[in-house]
Amino acid sequence: AQTVTQSQPEMSVQEAETVTLSCTYDTSESDYYLFWYKQPPSRQMILVIRQEAYKQQNATENRFSVNFQKAAKSFSLKISDSQLGDAAMYFCASTQGGSEKLVFGKGTKLTVNP
Amino acid sequence: GAGVSQSPRYKVAKRGQDVALRCDPISGHVSLFWYQQALGQGPEFLTYFQNEAQLDKSGLPSDRFFAERPEGSVSTLKIQRTQQEDSAVYLCASSLATASPGPEQYFGPGTRLTVT
Repeated sequence: AQTVTQSQPEMSVQEAETVTLSCTYDTSESDYYLFWYKQPPSRQMILVIRQEAYKQQNATENRFSVNFQKAAKSFSLKISDSQLGDAAMYFCASTQGGSEKLVFGKGTKLTVNP
Repeated sequence: GAGVSQSPRYKVAKRGQDVALRCDPISGHVSLFWYQQALGQGPEFLTYFQNEAQLDKSGLPSDRFFAERPEGSVSTLKIQRTQQEDSAVYLCASSLATASPGPEQYFGPGTRLTVT
């Protein structure tokens, strides 16, 4: 079965600093999509950034960027200029079986210290 | 526009009771997903609809779980004879695309089910 692994249960960062969240995945598919979702406390999960596996260029969305290493099956998220509002659970996810359904990691809790 | 809504937001059920959880997807979204999120874990896939067709129910943990989307919009997840291990947050998500992977899934706030 496809798996997504987030090895950091918790991370902390100082406001305005940069933090990187790790994610590795295991798939036998040649085409798939990878996602980072953010889940603030008691709030809805929202998409942070998305990467298509066949695109070599790393995705970027404002302060959020990814380091996608396809051969290593690694998909880390970098948050630059961290803000207090970035504090949340972050989930890495991958599509599975050529469909839209997602396989999620267990999440990383990010704390931003003022 | 309105996002994905779910009701009820909280549900307490006694073991053995049946429950029904409702999801209203974003209007026009073809795909609808149900996920189960246990405390401290990531969401786990339960089932997936494309319009009214249930294309994948491989994640449903037992035959006590049943989902439907009869008119291709609102969906209901029903759990019969609830057990304590069913306690979790049930998330609904919808997306525009049909079958092809990649589009953003928009999540609802979830229904927190507690079985006592």
